Order: sequence, then C-alpha cells, then structure tokens
Amino acid sequence: DAGITQSPRHKVTETGTPVTLRCHQTENHRYMYWYRQDPGHGLRLIHYSYGVKDTDKGEVSDGYSVSRSKTEDFLLTLESATSSQTSVYFCAISESQDRGVTEAFFGQGTRLTVV
Amino acid sequence: KQEVTQIPAALSVPEGENLVLNCSFTDSAIYNLQWFRQDPGKGLTSLLLIQSSQREQTSGRLNASLDKSSGRSTLYIAASQPGDSATYLCAVRPWGGSTLGRLYFGRGTQLTVWP
Repeated sequence: DAGITQSPRHKVTETGTPVTLRCHQTENHRYMYWYRQDPGHGLRLIHYSYGVKDTDKGEVSDGYSVSRSKTEDFLLTLESATSSQTSVYFCAISESQDRGVTEAFFGQGTRLTVV
Repeated sequence: KQEVTQIPAALSVPEGENLVLNCSFTDSAIYNLQWFRQDPGKGLTSLLLIQSSQREQTSGRLNASLDKSSGRSTLYIAASQPGDSATYLCAVRPWGGSTLGRLYFGRGTQLTVWP
C-alpha cells in the first residue's frame, strides 16, 4: 500500500467552526489531491497541489482552502463548516506525467459530520 | 469537461460467473485510465492502470481493456467470488494541459456476488 495517512479518520464538528484535515504521504510524489465523496455525486475534486506552495482549485472549491508547506503534507481547511460539507474526504497522490506512469493512490478517508 | 459513465450502476450475480463492467468517457484525449475497487467505509484500492497507448492490462482474474477512439473501457472479472463484492470505480486522466493530472470519476458499479 502507498504510504498515505489521513487524520483524523472521523470528526464531528459544529456549524460555523473551522476544521482542518491532514494528509501525509511518504512516497515523495509531486501531486496531491483532495476529493469529497457523496451519494449521487461520486468523487469530486476540491483542490489539488502540483508542488510545495503550488495549489489550484477543483470543481467544488467554495468554502475550502488548502496549504502545502512540505512535499509530504497537504492540509484541507473548511473555513466555516456548513452542513453541506458533511461528507467523506479522500486524499490522493500521484507522480507527474513527465515521469511516465502516473498511478493514483488514495488514503483511507476522513468522515466529517457537521451538526 | 470530461464525463465518465459506468454501466450498470449495480449488479448482483451468483458465485462463479464471469462479469463485464463498462465505463465510457466523452473526451478521447486521455493520458490513462484507472480502475479502482472500494469496499464499504474504506478508501479506493487501485486495481489496474491502462496507459493511452495500451489496449489492455491483466492482473489475476481481472482484465481491463481500453478503446480510446470509442471512449470505452471494460473490466472483466473471471470466475467471480463473494470477496469480489465491492464498488468498482473507473477514472480517466486527461492528457496534460491545465488539468495537471487530476482524475475524472464515474459513479461506480456496485457489485454483489452471492454464494
């Protein structure tokens, strides 16, 4: 298994509070991603990173911010949690295309409930 | 925007049957295609990765084919077992550009294999 650790694995938080999810990798892969998975929508990209301090938005980025200060860590912050952000969040990693095969590996997920 | 569709959405079969899961995508300019397995409450496990220049990949009882020109991939599972019960997800990675390695996912096929 690829070395990806998400923390926490489960969290319950109140509406309006900030929340930070952490993704840590030991593979030294360039790209890191945050997805959310919801019934009826499948997996949707929130934000991604293509290097230290290099990030960009995905298709459902409103209400989320990210930071990557080290290759191995990618943080997802919900600035002010809302009930619509109740979801399962997955972190993924992959290498860059100029290095050839770019298989994506996923973490075990963080189940977030906003009450 | 790339759209990925998986048919059927759910499949229930007796043990021992050979299965075909279908994936279609709207933009044939892909870098590769990846099949994943997801068990309930778990993360995504990579099963097979097919580069755009390849026609198929095999791993054990699994065989995935790719017809890029028609925008289709199939996952063939031979001699199905109850342990194969899971959701199978197809994802495509576009070729370069601003997408920077992100994956577009189908909504999955939920497979149940009963003894």
